[in-house]
Amino acid sequence: QVQLVESGGGAVQPGRSLRLSCAASGFTFSSFAIHWVRQAPGKGLEWVAVISFDGSTKYYADSVKGRFTISRDNSKNTVFLQMNSLRDEDTAVYHCVKGVVAAAMGGSYFDYWGQGTLVAVSS
Amino acid sequence: EIVLTQSPGTLSLSPGERATLSCRASQSVSSSYLSWYQQKPGQAPRLLIWGASTRATGIPDRFSGSGSGTDFTLTISRLEPEDFALYYCQHYGGSLSLWTFGQGTKVEIK
Repeated sequence: QVQLVESGGGAVQPGRSLRLSCAASGFTFSSFAIHWVRQAPGKGLEWVAVISFDGSTKYYADSVKGRFTISRDNSKNTVFLQMNSLRDEDTAVYHCVKGVVAAAMGGSYFDYWGQGTLVAVSS
Repeated sequence: EIVLTQSPGTLSLSPGERATLSCRASQSVSSSYLSWYQQKPGQAPRLLIWGASTRATGIPDRFSGSGSGTDFTLTISRLEPEDFALYYCQHYGGSLSLWTFGQGTKVEIK
């Protein structure tokens, strides 16, 4: 079965960096785009970033553009989210989410979600 | 950017009752790009409906989606105890508005 397992979250001070990982299994990882979607405590869902099947195309939400970088290693079935210059408002559970197409664009919905990893930004 | 507004914020119903959840878009959208998710406390969201009306794999037929243009509906025909949860609608707007979510509707036991 499809599994997405996030790791790397934790407590961090504003302005610092953190790198999240997502280990995938149960599907042909190199054939699908992967997204990150976050959820602030007690709040709704916010799409963060997407990377295409081969890592060549990436898109970001305006709220993280220039600070976050998504990447992937298809040899290890893993996606990463490098988060720099973290702000209080980045505090959230970050979910790794499988797209339904290979391209970064075109997949209109998300079919599998990981449980998420909590990032807490506070001084 | 397309904004999705869900109503009501909270729906208080009893098991066996019918639940009707609304998702309104700030402008007309393609029904092909409207999806619904269920989230229970401490769990990841689960895909229920995509393309406005197509049930995802393994989703019971008491869940149905409908709508077009700016108004979309998720209906749960007869609430089971496991259906009490948060529900989100989501839209894909291509390169202009990417992926956006509604703020959610909580279905709680009355």
